[in-house]
Amino acid sequence: DAGVIQSPRHEVTEMGQEVTLRCKPISGHDYLFWYRQTMMRGLELLIYFNNNVPIDDSGMPEDRFSAKMPNASFSTLKIQPSEPRDSAVYFCASGGGAGGYTFGSGTRLTVV
Amino acid sequence: DAKTTQPPSMDCAEGRAANLPCNHSTISGNEYVYWYRQIHSQGPQYIIHGLKNNETNEMASLIITEDRKSSTLILPHATLRDTAVYYCIVRVSNDYKLSFGAGTTVTVRA
Repeated sequence: DAGVIQSPRHEVTEMGQEVTLRCKPISGHDYLFWYRQTMMRGLELLIYFNNNVPIDDSGMPEDRFSAKMPNASFSTLKIQPSEPRDSAVYFCASGGGAGGYTFGSGTRLTVV
Repeated sequence: DAKTTQPPSMDCAEGRAANLPCNHSTISGNEYVYWYRQIHSQGPQYIIHGLKNNETNEMASLIITEDRKSSTLILPHATLRDTAVYYCIVRVSNDYKLSFGAGTTVTVRA
């Protein structure tokens, strides 16, 4: 079990560029979550999916953010265009529902 | 809306039990108590959860008071590697969102 796999681990991009973060959940997990962590705001839930369907995207900050889950083994979080205030660590997590969730190692995004 | 209250920080001695308190005085009957921790530069890690009975696993024990208004996470023999931010979270059984607060920064000292 390789756990939740996120890529890239680090991303540095210029303001205005499109950024795509990727996540491979644990096989068999029905739920997938995207979180963002900053010093100022802590861990914030952006969106979560159940069986590849977005259930709650109320945490997505702006229309510049979008997330997809085309199949059970892959999800993306896209920011277009990126802004310096989007700099944060983005975590993906997956789970089976009632138990605990497994988080990935995160993607550290820096927008300059 | 913070559903849980935790002390911002605490120190523990290596090899001793670490008792981490959490208040959740407005908890409802269908809400579980979850504990996660986050070691520096890593993703959060699930520790344990419970509804009303005490729970134990290989990592920790969870003691929930009879009125369910508070709980204690016990790390039986704290090691330096247990230094982390510990989050106590209340979650409704049919709502799969986890909302993280500020947590307790636990420092284990040799």
